[in-house]
Amino acid sequence: DQQVKQNSPSLSVQEGRISILNCDYTNSMFDYFLWYKKYPAEGPTFLISISSIKDKNEDGRFTVFLNKSAKHLSLHIVPSQPGDSAVYFCAASKPHLFFGTGTRLTVIP
Amino acid sequence: NAGVTQTPKFRVLKTGQSMTLLCAQDMNHEYMYWYRQDPGMGLRLIHYSVGEGTTAKGEVPDGYNVSRLKKQNFLLGLESAAPSQTSVYFCASGGTGNQPQHFGDGTRLSIL
Repeated sequence: DQQVKQNSPSLSVQEGRISILNCDYTNSMFDYFLWYKKYPAEGPTFLISISSIKDKNEDGRFTVFLNKSAKHLSLHIVPSQPGDSAVYFCAASKPHLFFGTGTRLTVIP
Repeated sequence: NAGVTQTPKFRVLKTGQSMTLLCAQDMNHEYMYWYRQDPGMGLRLIHYSVGEGTTAKGEVPDGYNVSRLKKQNFLLGLESAAPSQTSVYFCASGGTGNQPQHFGDGTRLSIL
């Protein structure tokens, strides 16, 4: 039973535009949500997190939005750069991590 | 600046063979984790440890054993490998909650 879901396996965006990656969850007891980025043949690296008591967290080009009533979060990357091309995983903490299946982002120069 | 190191990087086993995957971290973290990543499934927690000498089951522990004899090392063992254990295995260390986990680069394991 997948508690964290990323329904878009892939996303393509032009360089300089906004990338929006989405994530849905089913368990209202998750206390933190995290985004990880993964390049081929490497392990995931932490990108940004948000507490369940907040609705927005920003770090440079990356912003995560949390909508608790909809059990939905999204990661916005603006402006998108070719180096952002990777697989992005959403994860939720309770307190150990439950991961989504990932979205492959391709930023086209 | 090693972080989390996993050995080996690749391995092919025959059904029924045993092996141990080694994870080493140099960040003095108390928590360590083993995950597996399968196509279309994301990463799933196999076992974890909250400190030297302690281990606990995660989401998919069957067929695996672990040991944490030293704080910096976390070993994952397969006693009798099965084709269903063909996967990419990731080790991580770090905290819980919003404290980020640091991942190794993975071990690609194929069981024939």
